[in-house]
Amino acid sequence: DSGVTQTPKHLITATGQRVTLRCSPRSGDLSVYWYQQSLDQGLQFLIQYYNGEERAKGNILERFSAQQFPDLHSELNLSSLELGDSALYFCASSVAASGTAMNTQYFGPGTRLTVL
Amino acid sequence: AQSVTQPDIHITVSEGASLELRCNYSYGATPYLFWYVQSPGQGLQLLLKYFSGDTLVQGIKGFEAEFKRSQSSFNLRKPSVHWSDAAEYFCAVLHKAAGNKLTFGGGTRVLVKP
Repeated sequence: DSGVTQTPKHLITATGQRVTLRCSPRSGDLSVYWYQQSLDQGLQFLIQYYNGEERAKGNILERFSAQQFPDLHSELNLSSLELGDSALYFCASSVAASGTAMNTQYFGPGTRLTVL
Repeated sequence: AQSVTQPDIHITVSEGASLELRCNYSYGATPYLFWYVQSPGQGLQLLLKYFSGDTLVQGIKGFEAEFKRSQSSFNLRKPSVHWSDAAEYFCAVLHKAAGNKLTFGGGTRVLVKP
């Protein structure tokens, strides 16, 4: 158990809908990262937050957005869902936004999203 | 551009035999390198990491990896595989200047024969 929690574990929804994925980082970690794992794209970085502020963006679609709250949990919002958004979404956390050992990212169990 | 290549998509190994998983990276500076394992239906578990210093790093579950700068490689090894090692293994490089994102290789799926 990494200490990173994600809810829900599974999510099934229809095209055009909007969903919210939630992540709680490990105790003491200030940085949260979101990754998408799909069969065709592999594991891809989406976005990073550090202590409530967005720090880096990767291949995140405009239909997707995220935020980190004062209690440090994070939510990933996916809207106007398409079939191709079906994937496993991981959250990871680390102590800091930069540095050496503090860069180590610990992953949650993931949320499997199925868009029908 | 930074990238990670895992040349072997699948590897089948007998229980008790040794295992080596290859990882090659492309990165402009000294890399921070990681190996993660994903068991079926599970998240990613950190096996080991390399930041600096000794090029042979030890990890959990009896795994080790060796960083070879001249070959841009960070291969993962285990002397004797157990059936529970059947999983998918991912090598990753940390982009220190790009928000500390991880770039992952495509993964190597390991099957363990009894």
